Amino acid sequence: DAGITQSPRHKVTETGTPVTLRCHQTENHRYMYWYRQDPGHGLRLIHYSYGVKDTDKGEVSDGYSVSRSKTEDFLLTLESATSSQTSVYFCAISRTSGDTDTQYFGPGTRLTVL
Amino acid sequence: DQQVKQNSPSLSVQEGRISILNCDYTNSMFDYFLWYKKYPAEGPTFLISISSIKDKNEDGRFTVFLNKSAKHLSLHIVPSQPGDSAVYFCAALGGYQKVTFGTGTKLQVIP
Repeated sequence: DAGITQSPRHKVTETGTPVTLRCHQTENHRYMYWYRQDPGHGLRLIHYSYGVKDTDKGEVSDGYSVSRSKTEDFLLTLESATSSQTSVYFCAISRTSGDTDTQYFGPGTRLTVL
Repeated sequence: DQQVKQNSPSLSVQEGRISILNCDYTNSMFDYFLWYKKYPAEGPTFLISISSIKDKNEDGRFTVFLNKSAKHLSLHIVPSQPGDSAVYFCAALGGYQKVTFGTGTKLQVIP
């Protein structure tokens, strides 16, 4: 357990509305990530953060923005949700395991955009 | 361009037998390769990793093999148990500790 929580766990919204998903960690990890999981695509990186106010884009960042004003919180915002953003969203942190760094995931947020 | 590929979307194995999950990659600069396991309605969990300088890593029933010349790795589960039924993701570690995932293989272990 890496002390990661996500909120909300489920959300249904309408096209064009803004949506913010929250990831909270309790272990003071520097690196945090947002992924989306879709059938046939596996997990794809949306945005990541390497410190407070330090963020960068992943492979599927269009339509998403992030903010990290505190070490423990990483927010993902859909400025104007579209049906193509219906997905399961996972937050992750990076932590050393054995001889390598690896990622530990939160429980996920299922988002449906109607 | 998919840098990490899992070409088998599903696999069925009898309980007690060996499960072999395969993965190919295209970027020779990856330093580590990882396997994750995912149950429905849960986040992926880290299973096992292997350094690019090794060819084998073992942890209990799980062994990962790396063939750098072929850019291929595999996860062996012996013996397979019904509780191993899950989606398995192959992944590779790059800069900023970013992980690139494959599309996953759904393993079903039949009792």
